[in-house]
Amino acid sequence: GENVEQHPSTLSVQEGDSAVIKCTYSDSASNYFPWYKQELGKGPQLIIDIRSNVGEKKDQRIAVTLNKTAKHFSLHITETQPEDSAVYFCAAGRSSGGYQKVTFGIGTKLQVIP
Amino acid sequence: GAGVSQSPSNKVTEKGKDVELRCDPISGHTALYWYRQSLGQGLEFLIYFQGNSAPDKSGLPSDRFSAERTGGSVSTLTIQRTQQEDSAVYLCASSRDGKNQPQHFGDGTRLSIL
Repeated sequence: GENVEQHPSTLSVQEGDSAVIKCTYSDSASNYFPWYKQELGKGPQLIIDIRSNVGEKKDQRIAVTLNKTAKHFSLHITETQPEDSAVYFCAAGRSSGGYQKVTFGIGTKLQVIP
Repeated sequence: GAGVSQSPSNKVTEKGKDVELRCDPISGHTALYWYRQSLGQGLEFLIYFQGNSAPDKSGLPSDRFSAERTGGSVSTLTIQRTQQEDSAVYLCASSRDGKNQPQHFGDGTRLSIL
């Protein structure tokens, strides 16, 4: 089955600096890569996703990159703000048995220091 | 509805008791997923529903766990004879269909087994 590794497990940055979270996956058939943000006591919220036919995608201060050859993808947050503090999960998905099965990384706890 | 709704938000019960967790997906979403999130861990897939059928139950950890979905909408996850290792947050997600659509999560049920 798919295996998704995520690092670092914790990340502290000063407000205004950039944060980068990296993930690798093992199944070359994976073709969908969402990123989720989870605040304390809440469910994960989709913040951005990328599909395998695209190498990079941006949405305001958030960008994701995908390297299919190396099987890794990254989340970049620029100009970080205290409200960006949360746990971030990467995931890799593939079609299996007629539906999309998604495997999650273990999460990165991001702390933005004011 | 506005989002995925789960109830109860918290559940404390004694070891050996049965528990039922409820998920009300976003209206019109045919695909529904259950995940388990243990403290400090990623999301562990449990079961997937497409309509009322469950084509993938591969993540259910034991025969004490079961789930059903009636009317293609509300789903219940039942854990029989609960054990302390069942303590976790149980998350439900839904998507428009199972194929290529992002999953939207509820805020979960935090289950504590005494």
